Amino acid sequence: GAVVSQHPSWVICKSGTSVKIECRSLDFQATTMFWYRQFPKQSLMLMATSNEGSKATYEQGVEKDKFLINHASLTLSTLTVTSAHPEDSSFYICSARGNNDYEQYFGPGTRLTVT
Amino acid sequence: GQNIDQPTEMTATEGAIVQINCTYQTSGFNGLFWYQQHAGEAPTFLSYNVLDGLEEKGRFSSFLSRSKGYSYLLLKELQMKDSASYLCAVRDSNYQLIWGAGTKLIIKP
Repeated sequence: GAVVSQHPSWVICKSGTSVKIECRSLDFQATTMFWYRQFPKQSLMLMATSNEGSKATYEQGVEKDKFLINHASLTLSTLTVTSAHPEDSSFYICSARGNNDYEQYFGPGTRLTVT
Repeated sequence: GQNIDQPTEMTATEGAIVQINCTYQTSGFNGLFWYQQHAGEAPTFLSYNVLDGLEEKGRFSSFLSRSKGYSYLLLKELQMKDSASYLCAVRDSNYQLIWGAGTKLIIKP
């Protein structure tokens, strides 16, 4: 099956710094990538959808200037959490979908802790 | 608005059968998905239904009734490793996945 990787798997950063999370589709071309956030014991919350080569579409309530998404190639999307605060601590998961595929393939997730 | 309902938590016994229900109200329908998520991990795909009926895959089966806005995931011969959260998600007319809150399944010996 299709594989999606994320890096790093976990990161601890200080308040006010920025953190970049990478999401890669390893064996297929991901025309669409999704970024989710999940707080403990809660369901996945879609943050944004990005199509290769175009600007991401953010969900209501998600600050696009704080969560920068870049989908520069068909195999790589990045999420940068700028000026991180402790309330940004969460589990961030990316998923990718190919052009002719109904399924979304999820990365393993990145656990972000802001101190 | 769009809404997906599933029970918050269920408990079952090892070796038994459990059915997890999901009802949905969405703007359009382009398929229903079930995912399994172990604590601290990303979801993994279990099943996909777009037509009415039962899809069987090993110990897991998923059923869909579009007219009733209803699906269930059936897990047979439960194993301890099946303890996880099970997420129901519906793809709407915009091809967005709308997620349920998940059902935490606890398996007891």
